[in-house]
Amino acid sequence: NAGVTQTPKFRILKIGQSMTLQCAQDMNHNYMYWYRQDPGMGLKLIYYSVGAGITDKGEVPNGYNVSRSTTEDFPLRLELAAPSQTSVYFCASEPDRWFSDEQFFGPGTRLTVL
Amino acid sequence: AQKVTQAQTEISVVEKEDVTLDCVYETRDTTYYLFWYKQPPSGELVFLIRRNSFDEQNEISGRYSWNFQKSTSSFNFTITASQVVDSAVYFCALSNTGGFKTIFGAGTRLFVKA
Repeated sequence: NAGVTQTPKFRILKIGQSMTLQCAQDMNHNYMYWYRQDPGMGLKLIYYSVGAGITDKGEVPNGYNVSRSTTEDFPLRLELAAPSQTSVYFCASEPDRWFSDEQFFGPGTRLTVL
Repeated sequence: AQKVTQAQTEISVVEKEDVTLDCVYETRDTTYYLFWYKQPPSGELVFLIRRNSFDEQNEISGRYSWNFQKSTSSFNFTITASQVVDSAVYFCALSNTGGFKTIFGAGTRLFVKA
């Protein structure tokens, strides 16, 4: 298993540009999450998904969009990038909270908006 | 409103010392989840434990142990006989009843000196 993979690892965007951060998992997990981590801070939940076709907002969804057309993929779209979106983005997945006690994180995408 | 407080910003210990990281939480939910995560200097995120609010039993995993006390709204993490490899930022987190909207504390940076 590759686990949770994220691409790209690093990206520099200009203000107003758009991009998609890719996240994929090969563990057949239903639950997937996008977090952002600002320097020296804890993580903040952007969006989450409980299965293909089902997504919901987290704590800081403004400026982002997600889709979940398959169990494996959970891309995060940034529209009109702003300097406030400079952060490290982590994708995570987990199978089922009632029957499993594990969470898996991707390696992160470091995004800088200039 | 939910809140997680990790009052210790940084802790420095010498190898083989025991160290306890404090976590105090606030929630109005009667059912919730509590978590601990580790973020080593390399930047990846490692899931350590999830506890649901029904289970106040202490947990031990090797040199790690967790003390959950609902009466004081605390979920403290102890590392016994610390090692240099334990140097990391440790985050405590709280999820709501649905279990998906997670709030993180600001983290405690642990330095273990040889």
